[in-house]
Amino acid sequence: DAGVIQSPRHEVTEMGQEVTLRCKPISGHDYLFWYRQTMMRGLELLIYFNNNVPIDDSGMPEDRFSAKMPNASFSTLKIQPSEPRDSAVYFCASSFRLAGYIDEQFFGPGTRLTVL
Amino acid sequence: AQTVTQSQPEMSVQEAETVTLSCTYDTSESDYYLFWYKQPPSRQMILVIRQEAYKQQNATENRFSVNFQKAAKSFSLKISDSQLGDAAMYFCAYFGGGSEKLVFGKGTKLTVNP
Repeated sequence: DAGVIQSPRHEVTEMGQEVTLRCKPISGHDYLFWYRQTMMRGLELLIYFNNNVPIDDSGMPEDRFSAKMPNASFSTLKIQPSEPRDSAVYFCASSFRLAGYIDEQFFGPGTRLTVL
Repeated sequence: AQTVTQSQPEMSVQEAETVTLSCTYDTSESDYYLFWYKQPPSRQMILVIRQEAYKQQNATENRFSVNFQKAAKSFSLKISDSQLGDAAMYFCAYFGGGSEKLVFGKGTKLTVNP
């Protein structure tokens, strides 16, 4: 398996522009997580999905952020409009769960976002 | 809410020596999972080792082992025979208590000196 795939790996944009980050989870995984990592705040969970349904979006910083998972193999995180404080590394992770067993979360390589 | 504390922002070790990274957590649950993730400069998050709370035996993975003290809520990572490739940020993480979220510590930056 190719692992969790994220695109783009790097994104540089100007303030006010729309940014879309993409993620393809590992096939068969039923959980998908979006994280943001900054020096100041560390790793923050933004939102997660189970079977394509958003379960908890309490970590989404504000209405400028939105996430979708239209099918089991694809998710997007959108920021509109973007601001310089959104500059961070954004990770997507996926996992699966069976009764009585919790698998690890497998992380993608991350997208480094820079908003000028 | 569960919290994870890594009290050592930075650590250093000489190549071939042993180093221990500390992690404590706060929970009222009895059934949970603990993880150590490694993040090298490539920024890829890689699972190093996991521990199920119901298991009394400490997990080991080659040169990596943990000291799991359930009563003390402590979960330290020991790296033996440190190698240059072990240089990375190490994150301790907690999963359990009915939550489906991983709770991460702030991380410890490990430097390996040749």
